[in-house]
Amino acid sequence: ILNVEQSPQSLHVQEGDSTNFTCSFPSSNFYALHWYRWETAKSPEALFVMTLNGDEKKKGRISATLNTKEGYSYLYIKGSQPEDSATYLCALNTGNQFYFGTGTSLTVIP
Amino acid sequence: GAVVSQHPSRVICKSGTSVKIECRSLDFQATTMFWYRQFPKQSLMLMATSNEGSKATYEQGVEKDKFLINHASLTLSTLTVTSAHPEDSSFYICSAPIGARREKLFFGSGTQLSVL
Repeated sequence: ILNVEQSPQSLHVQEGDSTNFTCSFPSSNFYALHWYRWETAKSPEALFVMTLNGDEKKKGRISATLNTKEGYSYLYIKGSQPEDSATYLCALNTGNQFYFGTGTSLTVIP
Repeated sequence: GAVVSQHPSRVICKSGTSVKIECRSLDFQATTMFWYRQFPKQSLMLMATSNEGSKATYEQGVEKDKFLINHASLTLSTLTVTSAHPEDSSFYICSAPIGARREKLFFGSGTQLSVL
């Protein structure tokens, strides 16, 4: 079992604040790193699939970076809105299997 | 994007009963379905992989006689928790990989099982 860690476990921010969280993973057996946005009672929604060291991807106010050599990825949210409230989940894809972090629960306070 | 429909979303049952959870791929064919379990404050843990037309493969420590998996067609995979006990209470979620190297996963919405 490969250990994927996310921090912080939970986060409360004020509307308009920018925030970021971390996903750490073992560099060995790396094929891709996935980020998902997961709202309660819904299916996790894919945000990014990152494969190359130094990758930086952006989707609206959300962006992510990847460092495969040191084994981490950051997810950034600029100008948080209440609708950004969700759990953000990362997963290491080895090509054969996915290993998930425990998620970061984000609450954006209006 | 692809949609995986999972039912039921929540089930409460008595100890000793069996519970069936269904996952259907609505707009694509899923030859493989992953079944995960998540306990509170823990990560999603792979229980088994179902493959259409063949037997499921189970992860170490998962009892195949207790967690029956059937992949009857390219659009339906089921997980049956047989003779459920309180320790089986957990969140169960399915996901279908797409792509030659499983580049993407499409998830169901999960089932919260509570065994009394």
